[in-house]
This record gives sequence, C-alpha cells and structure tokens, in this order.
Amino acid sequence: SQKIEQNSEALNIQEGKTATLTCNYTNYSPAYLQWYRQDPGRGPVFLLLIRENEKEKRKERLKVTFDTTLKQSLFHITASQPADSATYLCALMNRDDKIIFGKGTRLHILP
Amino acid sequence: GAVVSQHPSRVICKSGTSVKIECRSLDFQATTMFWYRQFPKQSLMLMATSNEGSKATYEQGVEKDKFLINHASLTLSTLTVTSAHPEDSSFYICSGKGGSGGYEQYFGPGTRLTVT
Repeated sequence: SQKIEQNSEALNIQEGKTATLTCNYTNYSPAYLQWYRQDPGRGPVFLLLIRENEKEKRKERLKVTFDTTLKQSLFHITASQPADSATYLCALMNRDDKIIFGKGTRLHILP
Repeated sequence: GAVVSQHPSRVICKSGTSVKIECRSLDFQATTMFWYRQFPKQSLMLMATSNEGSKATYEQGVEKDKFLINHASLTLSTLTVTSAHPEDSSFYICSGKGGSGGYEQYFGPGTRLTVT
C-alpha cells in the first residue's frame, strides 16, 4: 500500500538557521508533491507544489526539492523564525485530485 | 488564496445523536469538495469526494450510511455524522476545488467533534 514517511515527529531548530524536513514515499508515483503548514486545531494551509518533472521550487524563504528516483522530497525553510513553528505536512497527489497526507513533522524554532 | 469556512468549529454531542457540519466556499465555486478526518497525531485521511449535484464517492472503509454527504450547491457541502459514537470523535476538515482545471484545494479550518 502507499506510504508516506516524514523524517521525524518533531524537529528543534535555532532561530536564523535553515530547517530541513524530509518526506519519503513508497508504492506511489505522484504527479504532484505538495507541502502544507498546519497549526494546532486548524486546517492545513497550502505552501508549495512541485510537479513530477520538476527538481526544485522556491517561494520566498521556502525551497522544495523532488527526487522521483529516490522517491524523496526535501523542504527547507531558510532564516527560520519562531513564527515558522508549526506542523508541516507532505502530501502526494495524482491527477484524480486525491491527496494522500503524511503524518507531519512538528517544527519548533527556538529563539 | 480562496477561503473555505466550516461551521461549527467545535461540537459536543451525545452518543446516538446526529451532527451536521457545513463547509462553504466563500469566494469561489467549488465544483468538487473533499471531506477528511484527522485523529490526534495522525495524518488527514480522505473520507469522501463529492461533486456538485451528484452522489459522493466514499473511500474504502468509510460507511456511506453513517457519514451522509450532500453537495447541493457550488458553495456548500454538508457532512452529517449519523448515530454518532465516541469513536467518531475526531477533527473533520473539508476542502474545495474550483472547476478551472487547477490542482489546488483550499482547506477549511476544521470542526472538532466530541461524542460523549
């Protein structure tokens, strides 16, 4: 069955450093890979999408890479700030619009 | 981005009663709406997909007679949890997708259901 693994349940990063989150998947060939932010008790907020034929996508302080051979995506937040503290969800999607979510990684940016 | 609202944000009900959750797209027409459920420290799990004016398609293991979905208009979908039990306590989240051919889904803020 399809499986998504995000590297750790929680990650502590010092303010100003780069936070790197990992997403690995098996038994799936997604057309798109997405990253979402979810705050406690809230719905997910879309951050970035990368297509299967793209290697890297950037948006402001965010960068996503996608390696379809390794079946892995890396999500980077540069110059991290305490306001970046949240749970980040990796999600896979095919052209049928169904999204499969990972459990997420709780990121804590320490001041 | 487009806005999706849910009502109520929190609801507590007694076992055996039914609860209705509304999902509205406020500034776009959602031709397709999705309902998810999230248990603590777990991933969002898709329950069903609904297209406006047609019956919902349920994911494997989701009882269609227990989780009634109505997508009567392009801006409103409802999820009714019938004869709720404590194990139905969860965080229910909807999302909407427009008909422009884009991929993006816009998520609502979620509804916390507690069944006592």
